[in-house]
Amino acid sequence: GPKVLQIPSHQIIDMGQMVTLNCDPVSNHLYFYWYKQILGQQMEFLVNFYNGKVMEKSKLFKDQFSVERPDGSYFTLKIQPTALEDSAVYFCASSFGQGEVFFGKGTRLTVV
Amino acid sequence: GEQVEQRPPHLSVREGDSAIIICTYTDSATAYFSWYKQEAGAGLQLLMSVLSNVDRKEEQGLTVLLNKKDKRLSLNLTAAHPGDSAVYFCAVSAGNNNRIFFGDGTQLVVKP
Repeated sequence: GPKVLQIPSHQIIDMGQMVTLNCDPVSNHLYFYWYKQILGQQMEFLVNFYNGKVMEKSKLFKDQFSVERPDGSYFTLKIQPTALEDSAVYFCASSFGQGEVFFGKGTRLTVV
Repeated sequence: GEQVEQRPPHLSVREGDSAIIICTYTDSATAYFSWYKQEAGAGLQLLMSVLSNVDRKEEQGLTVLLNKKDKRLSLNLTAAHPGDSAVYFCAVSAGNNNRIFFGDGTQLVVKP
């Protein structure tokens, strides 16, 4: 089926530094999402993005978080500065419109 | 906001038995329903999606039932095999690429 690619698969970063998580969504998809999962637990919505804008964000999407997709390239999640509680697996997802939402394999972020 | 409850949190069955996972939701505007499978350390694999105008959908040994009156969604794995062992998540949304609300997951173990 359609593939959403996430790069890197693992990232270890010092607390306070900046990190950018990259997502290559399905090529013709228009809607993009980030979710956070801690220790294999519940998937928590962070943000969705369409036409260059954030459509909706949750309270987990702190001021230190930002998303963008410049010129149709990677859809990125930037955290600046990182905090220990940001350690989690971050999943990117994309969809075309009224259809199915496909998820990537996740990026495991460890903040030390 | 939407509240999704999923049960059971853990389910152990013998190979060849059926496994049933149930989710209930609260928002009557919910229009899009999906089931995902997550194997250990992996991403979310979309198993099946249904819209609110579908009561039943079967594919490759999986049956999804939707009872809109009771706001209940179920996944039935008929003749489960060890490769089905994973965490299963239900996911619902109002459609139109709104945020997805996930259940807490069901850890399914299929014993040979």
